[in-house]
Amino acid sequence: GQQVMQIPQYQHVQEGEDFTTYCNSSTTLSNIQWYKQRPGGHPVFLIQLVKSGEVKKQKRLTFQFGEAKKNSSLHITATQTTDVGTYFCASRFGNEKLTFGTGTRLTIIP
Amino acid sequence: DTEVTQTPKHLVMGMTNKKSLKCEQHMGHRAMYWYKQKAKKPPELMFVYSYEKLSINESVPSRFSPECPNSSLLNLHLHALQPEDSALYLCASSRQGGAGEKLFFGSGTQLSVL
Repeated sequence: GQQVMQIPQYQHVQEGEDFTTYCNSSTTLSNIQWYKQRPGGHPVFLIQLVKSGEVKKQKRLTFQFGEAKKNSSLHITATQTTDVGTYFCASRFGNEKLTFGTGTRLTIIP
Repeated sequence: DTEVTQTPKHLVMGMTNKKSLKCEQHMGHRAMYWYKQKAKKPPELMFVYSYEKLSINESVPSRFSPECPNSSLLNLHLHALQPEDSALYLCASSRQGGAGEKLFFGSGTQLSVL
């Protein structure tokens, strides 16, 4: 089936350092969404990207959609302890089915 | 805070039990979803209801039986589960189920099958 791979699987950073997670697909995506799941919590929608090469910012978070619409990235500047969690990209492959990427678990060292 | 409410938050059941998970939303959404999430894994889609009709069943075993009594409610009936079915069960909703819609997730039911 369709898969969306994320790297890295885990990332440990010192508080204040930057963090980036990458999402890759073998097929062209119509759009891509990003979700955050805190430890013990549920996924919460962050953003959706639709256009080729699109870049969106939310405070310290920068989201990019690749020119070929096969990859995406999430970059966090100057991480804080509140950024802890697992970040998932997700996309729909032609129907209602929203498929989640493998996720990147971010831990912060205070 | 979530506008999708799931009950119970935790459930322990034996392999011969019958139980139900409940999900409710009052956002007027017409698409509702059940996802299963094992520890340290992404959510996996189980079922999608669109306008109270089952539109996607991801080859889920028949021991899981979904039900959508009305546009606000979604149930998941459980019968004769196996220990490997232990997981976090997440309910979600979206406006109509269209390609560009975001999902609103409930807090989930943590299920343990003994």
